[in-house]
Amino acid sequence: GAVVSQHPSRVICKSGTSVKIECRSLDFQATTMFWYRQFPKQSLMLMATSNEGSKATYEQGVEKDKFLINHASLTLSTLTVTSAHPEDSSFYICSAGGPGPTSRTQYFGPGTRLTVL
Amino acid sequence: DAKTTQPPSMDCAEGRAANLPCNHSTISGNEYVYWYRQIHSQGPQYIIHGLKNNETNEMASLIITEDRKSSTLILPHATLRDTAVYYCIVRGPLPGGKLIFGQGTELSVKP
Repeated sequence: GAVVSQHPSRVICKSGTSVKIECRSLDFQATTMFWYRQFPKQSLMLMATSNEGSKATYEQGVEKDKFLINHASLTLSTLTVTSAHPEDSSFYICSAGGPGPTSRTQYFGPGTRLTVL
Repeated sequence: DAKTTQPPSMDCAEGRAANLPCNHSTISGNEYVYWYRQIHSQGPQYIIHGLKNNETNEMASLIITEDRKSSTLILPHATLRDTAVYYCIVRGPLPGGKLIFGQGTELSVKP
């Protein structure tokens, strides 16, 4: 299957700082990427849909000014957690789907573990 | 997107078939059934998907009832590495069909 990578795999930051997480589709072009968040012992929660060349669409209750999403190319989407606080500590996962044979399937990255002190 | 119902947990003996059920009684005609699994602290892994016909790949088989209100994921010979949370998801048509995760079934494969 198609490969999606995330960087970094884990990050620890101080409260009030901003953290950027990258999501890349390595062997296919992704017109749409999705960002999820997962708290311990819970399921994945969709945060937003990232569309190449246009603004992201956020799910209800997700603050767009706090979670900045940029999808500047067909292989890269970034999520920036601004002014992070301890309650933002979570497992952030992206997924990507694109044109061609992979279009009906979303492939997920390995996730980024964010810890805010 | 239609909601799905799965048992919270299941056990399976190593080497035996694991049959994971999913109910999706409100599924509409153009919605697909997708299965993913998540091993602890990893991103979800795609397993299989289908619309109305049964599907099989190298990982699993997907059996969808004729009325499409339920489906079963079959892992033919479960191994310890198949221990994971399995998610059954009904997805709307593309573009824009989002994958909305429920609570899934925690499958434990035991020696």
